[in-house]
This record gives sequence, structure tokens and C-alpha cells, in this order.
Amino acid sequence: EAGVVQSPRYKIIEKKQPVAFWCNPISGHNTLYWYRQNLGQGPELLIRYENEEAVDDSQLPKDRFSAERLKGVDSTLKIQPAELGDSAVYLCASQPSETYEQYFGPGTRLTVT
Amino acid sequence: AQSVTQLDSQVPVFEEAPVELRCNYSSSVSVYLFWYVQYPNQGLQLLLKYLSGSTLVESINGFEAEFNKSQTSFHLRKPSVHISDTAEYFCAVSHRDDKIIFGKGTRLHILP
Repeated sequence: EAGVVQSPRYKIIEKKQPVAFWCNPISGHNTLYWYRQNLGQGPELLIRYENEEAVDDSQLPKDRFSAERLKGVDSTLKIQPAELGDSAVYLCASQPSETYEQYFGPGTRLTVT
Repeated sequence: AQSVTQLDSQVPVFEEAPVELRCNYSSSVSVYLFWYVQYPNQGLQLLLKYLSGSTLVESINGFEAEFNKSQTSFHLRKPSVHISDTAEYFCAVSHRDDKIIFGKGTRLHILP
């Protein structure tokens, strides 16, 4: 079974530039999460999807961050414009129904210069 | 509101020695508890979880954790560590369908 796939693995951009991250969850997993992990910290939830619906986006900075999950499968997280403080690892996770186990991708390490 | 405290940011331990990684949580309701492990350059993986039932839960690679409601703790232990256990370990808590809150992580260093 293929795991959660994320791309790119690494991204370096200048501040004020846009950036997008892509996530392909495990087939059949209805729930998808985007987390941000700052250096020396645990993951912090940005947004959670149940199929196509964003059921929890309370922690997503909506002035510059956006996300979508068209057709309830792949998801894209976008930052526009990026700021220096956005440098972090962005993690995607998926979860099958009726369980509490999340499966994480390897993450995208973003560096904003 | 729920929160998780991992008291140690780093724990050095000699190979084949026992280890305990501490985790305390705060919640006013019943919780689900998790330990995730992150090996170098990899994503997080679930190590073990407590949902209900027996308060002692075990993983397939020799780790165990005990849910202690009175002390609001879920410490992770292993009687004999191996070099391959080098990783960062995250304790996490959630309440049913609510989001998971992660601790800051404990980096386990195995000394030869």
C-alpha cells in the first residue's frame, strides 16, 4: 500500500512569493489534514478535510493561506504571499474512517529567505 | 482546552539501557492518547495508542506506555533501547472527533 505522498520535498523561495504544496493521501482515506511543524515543535493543525469539506480551518491564517481538496482526494495548500515566519515543515496526513490513526507524509520543508 | 507537555526535549541513553519518555496532558474530559515516532528524514508514524480498556499498551518493537488517569500521564518506556530507536517521539492527545494536539517532542539519543 502506497503511503501519503507529498511534493515537493523541499522548497526555497523569497519572501512575498507564492508557493504551493501538494498531497496525495492513501487511497480510501476520507479524512485529510495539513499541519505545520516549526523547528523544535510538534505538528500544529492548519486544516482538516472530511472528503471535500473543510470541517476545521480555525487555525488556518486565511489572509495568506488557502487550501482545497477537489473531488475529495488530492489536496493543495497555498501560501500567497509567503513571509519569513512561514519557514517550517508542512505535513499532510490522512486517516481512514472509524479509526484514530493518522498516516503522515514525509513533509515539505519550506525555507523563506 | 487540551494540552500536552513533554518534559524533556532531549534524552540521551546508552544502548541496551532502559528509557522513559515523559508525557503529561491536561483535559477535563476523557481522552485518547498517542505516541508517534519520527525517524530522521521521515514522516511521523503511530507507535501506540490508548483509546479505552487496558491502561498498558504495547508496540510491536518493545515500547509500552501506561495511561495513568490520576496523574494525567502517558509515559513511554522501553526496557532496552537499540541504536535504531534514535528518533523524535511525540505524545499527542485528542477527545473523540476533536483534533489531535501534539507535544513538542522528545529527541532520543542512543549512545554507543
